[in-house]
Amino acid sequence: EDKVVQSPLSLVVHEGDTVTLNCSYEVTNFRSLLWYKQEKKAPTFLFMLTSSGIEKKSGRLSSILDKKELFSILNITATQTGDSAVYLCAVEPYNNDMRFGAGTRLTVKP
Amino acid sequence: KAGVTQTPRYLIKTRGQQVTLSCSPISGHRSVSWYQQTPGQGLQFLFEYFSETQRNKGNFPGRFSGRQFSNSRSEMNVSTLELGDSALYLCASSLEPGLASTDTQYFGPGTRLTVL
Repeated sequence: EDKVVQSPLSLVVHEGDTVTLNCSYEVTNFRSLLWYKQEKKAPTFLFMLTSSGIEKKSGRLSSILDKKELFSILNITATQTGDSAVYLCAVEPYNNDMRFGAGTRLTVKP
Repeated sequence: KAGVTQTPRYLIKTRGQQVTLSCSPISGHRSVSWYQQTPGQGLQFLFEYFSETQRNKGNFPGRFSGRQFSNSRSEMNVSTLELGDSALYLCASSLEPGLASTDTQYFGPGTRLTVL
């Protein structure tokens, strides 16, 4: 059965720290992997990854996919309190039945 | 331009009733996707509409249905409500169809449905 596992489930850091969030998956007919940031409102789309080894970057956030080892990481450098949120990883196979991870709850303390 | 809007924002229903939720995409966006978010299940994909046609469907029972109108506005209907249907229902719009497109999805604030 297709599944997406995120780790850690929760993380507490201090401002300025760098964090790495992990997402591993087992999906038949993989098509893409997506990262979302969710605060107290609807999730915000961050990245979509389809190819291995190509880093996507947006400000202090970056993400990369390894299709051989079946995982992706989301890096956040110089964290700020505004980065506190749940970060969701989702995988879309070609059969279009998306699978979501449980999320990583990141808390950034001042 | 205005973002994705969803109405109503909050809804309370009882078991057995039906409910219709509405989503207005960003102007010019023709793709609308629906998601259900519950604490135990996380974010789950319901369906995607483009040009009034359902393109993709998640693993939900037939009680969940939707449609899209010619102006790209979409509605989602849940019939015979169950307690487990209590959730935040999110709508997202984008320019291009297909969840694997490089297009960015923009999410609405969601409709929080409580089933008593």
